[in-house]
Amino acid sequence: NAGVMQNPRHLVRRRGQEARLRCSPMKGHSHVYWYRQLPEEGLKFMVYLQKENIIDESGMPKERFSAEFPKEGPSILRIQQVVRGDSAAYFCASSPGPGPYEQYFGPGTRLTVT
Amino acid sequence: QKEVEQNSGPLSVPEGAIASLNCTYSDRGSQSFFWYRQYSGKSPELIMFIYSNGDKEDGRFTAQLNKASQYVSLLIRDSQPSDSATYLCAVGGGKLIFGQGTELSVKP
Repeated sequence: NAGVMQNPRHLVRRRGQEARLRCSPMKGHSHVYWYRQLPEEGLKFMVYLQKENIIDESGMPKERFSAEFPKEGPSILRIQQVVRGDSAAYFCASSPGPGPYEQYFGPGTRLTVT
Repeated sequence: QKEVEQNSGPLSVPEGAIASLNCTYSDRGSQSFFWYRQYSGKSPELIMFIYSNGDKEDGRFTAQLNKASQYVSLLIRDSQPSDSATYLCAVGGGKLIFGQGTELSVKP
């Protein structure tokens, strides 16, 4: 499978727990983007990363959310002390280069906070 | 605040007709424009991208860009029931700004 991979596909967490979402970009892509889609809302940009660097985190909530894309392994979106309002679909996309390149989306992780 | 606006739906067309989806954007400096299709419960699927003024055709899909009017559109010819989905307009490079989407329903 040469597409963007995300896991888990579904994640249930209780309030106060941590959620870790993983994303492996398409082969040959080194740029990763995270988006969030709240129920009945549009897709919102969260963060843009390149290997070992955060390029743009202007869409990340200031607290509890962090992202990384290490030299080896997948990109990780981490949400600490989850609240009900974090329940959403989290999508990862990747592109082969910076700027105007098209982005291809993974299947998403549906996070439910109970 | 950079914005992307799409015509409100739902848009209903009969099978075989042309579906026209529209999008305007506020950032005059935008360089890249994308159309994604999203089926209910699924992830966005890239169907067209356009960078230059004019038309770009790919099969039954045509994207049209007018930077002077800050307007981008998507035409779907010979619409099929399988085209029924939400169509998302996205603008930008790196960080993409998405419109709210237009729900298209193609009736057999």
